[in-house]
Amino acid sequence: SSELTQDPAVSVALGHTVRITCQGDSLRGYYASWYQQKPGQAPVLVIYGNNNRPSGIPDRFSGSTSGSTASLSITGAQAEDEADYYCNSRDNSGNLYVFGTGTKVTVL
Amino acid sequence: QVQLVESGGGVVQPGRSLRLSCAASGFTFSTYAMHWVRQAPGKGLEWLAIISYDGSNKYFADSVKGRITISRDNSKNALYLQMNSLRAEDTAVYYCARDQSWLALGIDYFDYWGQGTLVTVSS
Repeated sequence: SSELTQDPAVSVALGHTVRITCQGDSLRGYYASWYQQKPGQAPVLVIYGNNNRPSGIPDRFSGSTSGSTASLSITGAQAEDEADYYCNSRDNSGNLYVFGTGTKVTVL
Repeated sequence: QVQLVESGGGVVQPGRSLRLSCAASGFTFSTYAMHWVRQAPGKGLEWLAIISYDGSNKYFADSVKGRITISRDNSKNALYLQMNSLRAEDTAVYYCARDQSWLALGIDYFDYWGQGTLVTVSS
């Protein structure tokens, strides 16, 4: 099976930019998606296909990829962006899925 | 609007079995693959299983393979997760999620999630 590794926690000043990374071999061949989860709530899709935003997601959220690393950026972070963020992709077999270890984003 | 509502959680003794359900509405259930994902208390998300739109293909995470079964009843717009030989480490919130795929581009993702149902394995 594959693994997707994320930094456990990052902090960002209000209005500033933060980038969250997700590293794993499967990202070389499969697209990443990103999910935001606030305490006590279900995850919400914020980025799919590496760099696409679903309708209703603010344009301060963006995604990118390079080699085995996918990234989620929040440009001009807001207090409501404080949450856990998880990446996801298929694993190297192509049949299974794997979530990243998760990153807790704190907005200062 | 798309709605996914899980049910069937509760307290269960170690070694017992449990079946979770996910009721889908607001979309053509029979045309979408579906997933189960869980989250242990204070831990991250763990993908468990996927079932194709017609139930003909199923894949399971290695961590639970052999102990869980995923199934669906398209006539009832329902998804199921059968869990056997439950252990304390199966204690988690269990989510169902809809799979959205763009096959031509190789893109897929979880576009809608239920609110989850809590399973507690304890004697």
